[in-house]
Amino acid sequence: QVELQESGPRLVKPWETLSLTCTVSSGSIKLDDYYWDWIRQSPGKGLEWLGNIHFSGKTYYISSLEGRVTMSVDTSKNQFSLKLTSVTAADTAIYYCARHPEAKNWFDAWGQGTPVTVSS
Amino acid sequence: DIQMTQSPSSLSESVGGRVIITCRTSETISRSLSWYQQRPGKAPNLLIYGASTLQSGVPSRFSGSGSGTEFTLTISSLRPEDFATYYCQQSYRTPFTFGPGTKVDVK
Repeated sequence: QVELQESGPRLVKPWETLSLTCTVSSGSIKLDDYYWDWIRQSPGKGLEWLGNIHFSGKTYYISSLEGRVTMSVDTSKNQFSLKLTSVTAADTAIYYCARHPEAKNWFDAWGQGTPVTVSS
Repeated sequence: DIQMTQSPSSLSESVGGRVIITCRTSETISRSLSWYQQRPGKAPNLLIYGASTLQSGVPSRFSGSGSGTEFTLTISSLRPEDFATYYCQQSYRTPFTFGPGTKVDVK
């Protein structure tokens, strides 16, 4: 059973860059028929899907984050990452990594989540 | 974006009771609807996909139905571990969107 684990700083200053990594274990990230996702959860916005990446490097980002978000994959480490620039308090949330089967689009594995607070 | 609503936003029920949660979408999504359970401090966990297919390992007291714009999640006989928050999610089109959640607590 695949396992996902987020890691990264829990406190980020306003206007700086949020960087998180998701490590995939008990399974390979190099699967043609899976996409790797980032989802966040905040009291104000609930669960919000941010986008995803395929191991080939193909990405999809939600329009509200375009220009601020970058997702990348490191197949040698079985990891994928999220970078979000110019963060504000509105980016404070629990960040989850997850995966979904291609063309099926439900999230069948999740990391435990990591809380990130944007504050000076 | 496809908008999601859920009703009720919260409910109280007893162990052994029956729970029905409704999810509605702003446009038709065929049967591209999933349900998740989230316990406090934990990540959401997939219960149902394709509106009615139980994820492997999910107890049969959970069931889903619906198509188009209206869907339901039914828990036939509540167990103590079922007190949690439940979310629907449309998998029809990006951006994938979630409902606001329904909290089920003890009566």
